[in-house]
Amino acid sequence: DIQMTQSPSTLSASVGDRVTITCRASQNIVNYVNWYQQRPGKAPKLLIYAASKLQDGVPSRFRGSGSGADFTLAISSLQPEDFATYYCQQTYTSPRFGGGTKVELK
Amino acid sequence: QVTLRESGPAVVKPTHTLTLTCSFSGFSLSTTAMSVSWIRQPPGKALEWLARIDWEDEEFYSPSLQTRLALSKDTSKNQVVLTVTNMDPVDTATYYCARGRMIGGVISCDHWGQGLLVTVSS
Repeated sequence: DIQMTQSPSTLSASVGDRVTITCRASQNIVNYVNWYQQRPGKAPKLLIYAASKLQDGVPSRFRGSGSGADFTLAISSLQPEDFATYYCQQTYTSPRFGGGTKVELK
Repeated sequence: QVTLRESGPAVVKPTHTLTLTCSFSGFSLSTTAMSVSWIRQPPGKALEWLARIDWEDEEFYSPSLQTRLALSKDTSKNQVVLTVTNMDPVDTATYYCARGRMIGGVISCDHWGQGLLVTVSS
């Protein structure tokens, strides 16, 4: 069972900040990682698939990178609508989500 | 336009079986690389993947829950049904269904239903 360790669990930031969220897998998962955004009371939304590919309609300020066991989601300039919780997910084996990162207003 | 909607009971008694239906439109589960997954989220907690059925009728289950889960699909009705046996209060959660698509071998959930809160209580 592949574990996904996501950090930090909470991140305080201001509008315009660059933020990064990391996910570490317990083994090599190549590029089998997706990133989702979830706003309060809403369903998750796919941002990045296959580690670095931007989902259609997602702003280019979101960028995914990494391969092997270490992955990063970066937001280049935080916008008001980006305050939300973010999850990584591995689909190399039985899919599993990370614990989530809540991005909150500083 | 792809849409999905979960339906089922809002309250289930402990030890009973939960039956949830995902009704979808805008795609076909007989199309190559398509799948439907179920994911749940206990109040205030993280997402948990439960199960997936794909265009080849292959079923995949969370190892920790596989003895309690079962999937079925009706391609003509565009529906996928998830049953969860022996419900417990810890199974209280919002249950989501989502469309999966496979690109380059990687499956991602690109469209989600709004979710259905299921409470387990006597």
